[in-house]
Amino acid sequence: DAGVIQSPRHEVTEMGQEVTLRCKPISGHDYLFWYRQTMMRGLELLIYFNNNVPIDDSGMPEDRFSAKMPNASFSTLKIQPSEPRDSAVYFCASSLPSWAPGGEKLFFGSGTQLSVL
Amino acid sequence: SQKIEQNSEALNIQEGKTATLTCNYTNYSPAYLQWYRQDPGRGPVFLLLIRENEKEKRKERLKVTFDTTLKQSLFHITASQPADSATYLCALVPGGSYIPTFGRGTSLIVHP
Repeated sequence: DAGVIQSPRHEVTEMGQEVTLRCKPISGHDYLFWYRQTMMRGLELLIYFNNNVPIDDSGMPEDRFSAKMPNASFSTLKIQPSEPRDSAVYFCASSLPSWAPGGEKLFFGSGTQLSVL
Repeated sequence: SQKIEQNSEALNIQEGKTATLTCNYTNYSPAYLQWYRQDPGRGPVFLLLIRENEKEKRKERLKVTFDTTLKQSLFHITASQPADSATYLCALVPGGSYIPTFGRGTSLIVHP
C-alpha cells in the first residue's frame, strides 16, 4: 500500500483565495483525521470521519473551514476565504477500525505546507 | 484545563548514549499513550503504545514507561545513533475515546 496520500505537497496562495487540500486514506481504514501543525500550537485535530461521516468537527477554527468525505477513498479540506493565519502544515491521517488489531495507530500522510500571503 | 507537556528545548546527546524524553500531562485520564517520530517535512510515524495498566513497554532499542500516579511517560532510546535524530511526539487517548491528542514534541539531536 502506498500509505496516506496528500496533495498538493505545497500550496502558496493569496489572502482571500479558496484552497482545497486532498487526501486519499489507506484502503480498508475507516477513520480519517485532519490535523493542522504549527510551531505555536503543535498538532491540532480539526475534524475526523468514521465511515465517511463527520463525527467531530469541534476543532475546525471557523466557518471558513469545511471538510468532506464523499467516499471511502477521498477527502477534502477547504478553506474559503483563506487568511495568512491559516498558514501551517495540514496532515491527513487514517486508521483501522478501533476494534481491529493495531486500530489505535494513526498513519499520517506527508502533509500539505500551506502559505497564505 | 487539559495539558500535555514535552520539553520544548532540543535534547542533544552523543552517539551511543541513552536518550530520555519526557511527556507530562494534567487533567487527563488516558486509557493509553502513544509515541510517534516525526522527521522534517514528513508526517508522524507511530512507534509504541502503552496502556494505563502497563508500566513498561519495549521494542528493540526503544523503551517506554508510564506512571499514571506521576502523570508521566518516559521514552528511552538506548545506544542512540545519528539516524535517531528527529522530533518525538507523545499522544494521549482518554478512556472512552480513541482519538489522540498530541504534545508539541521534543527534538532529539544525536551527535556522531
